[in-house]
Amino acid sequence: QQKVQQSPESLIVPEGAMTSLNCTFSDSASQYFAWYRQHSGKAPKALMSIFSNGEKEEGRFTIHLNKASLHFSLHIRDSQPSDSALYLCAPGGNYKPTFGKGTSLVVHP
Amino acid sequence: DPKIIQKPKYLVAVTGSEKILICEQYLGHNAMYWYRQSAKKPLEFMFSYSYQKLMDNQTASSRFQPQSSKKNHLDLQITALKPDDSATYFCASSQDPRKDTQYFGPGTRLLVL
Repeated sequence: QQKVQQSPESLIVPEGAMTSLNCTFSDSASQYFAWYRQHSGKAPKALMSIFSNGEKEEGRFTIHLNKASLHFSLHIRDSQPSDSALYLCAPGGNYKPTFGKGTSLVVHP
Repeated sequence: DPKIIQKPKYLVAVTGSEKILICEQYLGHNAMYWYRQSAKKPLEFMFSYSYQKLMDNQTASSRFQPQSSKKNHLDLQITALKPDDSATYFCASSQDPRKDTQYFGPGTRLLVL
């Protein structure tokens, strides 16, 4: 069964900072790697995803994937208070999605 | 218009009763899922369905039974409710569960007294 670990568990950063969130997974057959964001009291919402090794950038958000090290990460440039949320990583590629426990991010003005 | 509808939004039940949570998606997706999330536990995968067939079941208890009457419907029947079942239940869907983003419904908040 896929094991997913996210770090750190929580993070407080000032507005404008670069934020880095990490996710390690155990199933080397995973094919699809996604990050979701969940604001308090709301449903998770997909943020970004990547299929192959390397980097993908969308606006202020960048995903890095290293399949060999079973690791992928999310980087948020110029963090904003509206980015405050729970961030969930989800390595997958099968009918049994596995989400990490999440990193709780607080961006203070 | 909401693309994934979950009903009801809030639900209060007594211990031992039975409830059905409704989920309908209008995204044209082939796969649907149920998740559970509580203050004590992180987002927990329960079931996945594809073309109305059960693909995976991570719920140990038979008290939880998914029901799919149509391709875009996946309801969740919960029997013999316990206070520990109190959680927010999210329905989700995706076009291809092997390589696709999941879209979540707004959730049903269940409180069992």
